[in-house]
Amino acid sequence: GAGVSQSPSNKVTEKGKDVELRCDPISGHTALYWYRQSLGQGLEFLIYFQGNSAPDKSGLPSDRFSAERTGGSVSTLTIQRTQQEDSAVYLCASSSVWGGELFFGEGSRLTVL
Amino acid sequence: SQQGEEDPQALSIQEGENATMNCSYKTSINNLQWYRQNSGRGLVHLILIRSNEREKHSGRLRVTLDTSKKSSSLLITASRAADTASYFCATDGGSGYSTLTFGKGTMLLVSP
Repeated sequence: GAGVSQSPSNKVTEKGKDVELRCDPISGHTALYWYRQSLGQGLEFLIYFQGNSAPDKSGLPSDRFSAERTGGSVSTLTIQRTQQEDSAVYLCASSSVWGGELFFGEGSRLTVL
Repeated sequence: SQQGEEDPQALSIQEGENATMNCSYKTSINNLQWYRQNSGRGLVHLILIRSNEREKHSGRLRVTLDTSKKSSSLLITASRAADTASYFCATDGGSGYSTLTFGKGTMLLVSP
């Protein structure tokens, strides 16, 4: 597709379960970001990938969170042993250049019961 | 922590009026961007202004940047009901800083 694609769009899980969220960026975009947005709040930076450089993981809130980007394209955000406070919308964005316009997906809404 | 902070948190106006939103940030920047988010959707890029620019226009949007005050404003002229959304500023944190940091946003309601 032409835009950033995220899946699933909605995920309901039980506390303690692991979840995987997927992001398929725009083809050719070297930069990929993950953000988290809680209800009515701004965007909280989680992790940033730029080409083949080591990712900037400074925003990951705990070691239960991890992300990888395979082949410089698709990225997966994994949350282990989910907690209720992990409930949020997880947004992925990609960009063709550092510091340039970000193109966002529609997000994955995670609800932890 | 948030780099940019928008003000006001919420703004309610009538169609045809102008809407002004402000953004303050803390560190040096290379550029500042404004995004819009409709309820339940992803963010859409509106405009980017570089640190050496003072004003930029795009359609009904006007953005100003004052690096000495570390602030920016977004003006939407002749607002429409369809402009109802949340508006966020985002900054890159300056030289050598890779991430784009967003504020908490201004929620704009334009009534017909």
